[in-house]
Amino acid sequence: QKEVEQDPGPLSVPEGAIVSLNCTYSNSAFQYFMWYRQYSRKGPELLMYTYSSGNKEDGRFTAQVDKSSKYISLFIRDSQPSDSATYLCAMTISRGGGSNYKLTFGKGTLLTVNP
Amino acid sequence: DSGVTQTPKHLITATGQRVTLRCSPRSGDLSVYWYQQSLDQGLQFLIQYYNGEERAKGNILERFSAQQFPDLHSELNLSSLELGDSALYFCASNPGQGSDTQYFGPGTRLTVL
Repeated sequence: QKEVEQDPGPLSVPEGAIVSLNCTYSNSAFQYFMWYRQYSRKGPELLMYTYSSGNKEDGRFTAQVDKSSKYISLFIRDSQPSDSATYLCAMTISRGGGSNYKLTFGKGTLLTVNP
Repeated sequence: DSGVTQTPKHLITATGQRVTLRCSPRSGDLSVYWYQQSLDQGLQFLIQYYNGEERAKGNILERFSAQQFPDLHSELNLSSLELGDSALYFCASNPGQGSDTQYFGPGTRLTVL
């Protein structure tokens, strides 16, 4: 079983739709959770960062973490064509530069928002 | 723009060859991380350096090596290249201790023919 599972999609939605992206993980030691957005032929860019169960909102984006179920989600409200990208979940055991800090990524979900 | 730079953008080479990828971290960042991204494996952690010292190793092949120099830039050396090494290679950086996440460069696309 992979440590982090993410549905690769592709996911295609009309402009203005609410998008839900999800990841599950098996390692209960993961404590810090991130969502990255990656446009085609570009490096991943950080969208959201959370470290506790619950919701965190930033503009049109909401990150949700349920540690008891080992499940994280990213919601995008009022989706725009500019949101079309691959979304990667990532998680890590600890903060800082220690040996446990490597990020473990999901494979990414390709999202297309159609005008 | 994350502030992390990588060169070259593209690299095309033949099997059996050796290449060097270069990364300059964000100003002030002490930690550098290397990742490989392929279609089938996704983004995989290779190795981390902190202030010149190797800190963590991931799924890095023995044919691959890296180092971080006193000016904090890092190089990833890939040798005896195989077709399966074709991938995007990303460098990321952060300040190190107590940092919450990583900032990625634009990547180097390696094609092995």
